[in-house]
Amino acid sequence: AQSVTQLGSHVSVSEGALVLLRCNYSSSVPPYLFWYVQYPNQGLQLLLKYTSAATLVKGINGFEAEFKKSETSFHLTKPSAHMSDAAEYFCAVTLGTGGGNKLTFGTGTQLKVEL
Amino acid sequence: DVKVTQSSRYLVKRTGEKVFLECVQDMDHENMFWYRQDPGLGLRLIYFSYDVKMKEKGDIPEGYSVSREKKERFSLILESASTNQTSMYLCASSFRAHLSNQPQHFGDGTRLSIL
Repeated sequence: AQSVTQLGSHVSVSEGALVLLRCNYSSSVPPYLFWYVQYPNQGLQLLLKYTSAATLVKGINGFEAEFKKSETSFHLTKPSAHMSDAAEYFCAVTLGTGGGNKLTFGTGTQLKVEL
Repeated sequence: DVKVTQSSRYLVKRTGEKVFLECVQDMDHENMFWYRQDPGLGLRLIYFSYDVKMKEKGDIPEGYSVSREKKERFSLILESASTNQTSMYLCASSFRAHLSNQPQHFGDGTRLSIL
């Protein structure tokens, strides 16, 4: 079985500061990992995904994430926060083999960006 | 772009009513999913379907059923609505059954209130 832990249900940063949202996974086989963003009153939008090619993955809106097998982590970063980044972010994992396309989601991190 | 459309953004029903939530995708996707989203709990999978007339239980199927008569449409049914089913419901789809490395595409959600 796979699981995801997102550390910090709420993160607050200043505009222009580094954004770091943490995600640790547990999986018995090599996983595929995803980050999604949810703006208020909307569904989830894919930010980026790791599918065993490059360990550093670049996504939309200037976000990137690095897969670290030794740390079982897939943290999301952005060098400079913008007000429009305020949203809820979800990390998700699925099994690399035999798992179909079922995703297991973390509980989410609400990002607040302050002036 | 993939379009996943949920029939209602907001819905108010009474306890004991039979409630139907509809979801349609326009990209010939094989997989479709229903989640519920609650604060602090993230997204939890209710049911999913790999093909027409096929369904599989997710993590929290109790009190729900689904129907997939056509490939593009996946319906969630609350047989006898209860107040603990008040939640945000999200529908998602993905391209090919049993491929783990593809993202899911989400609708904008239906916020359901059971009075």
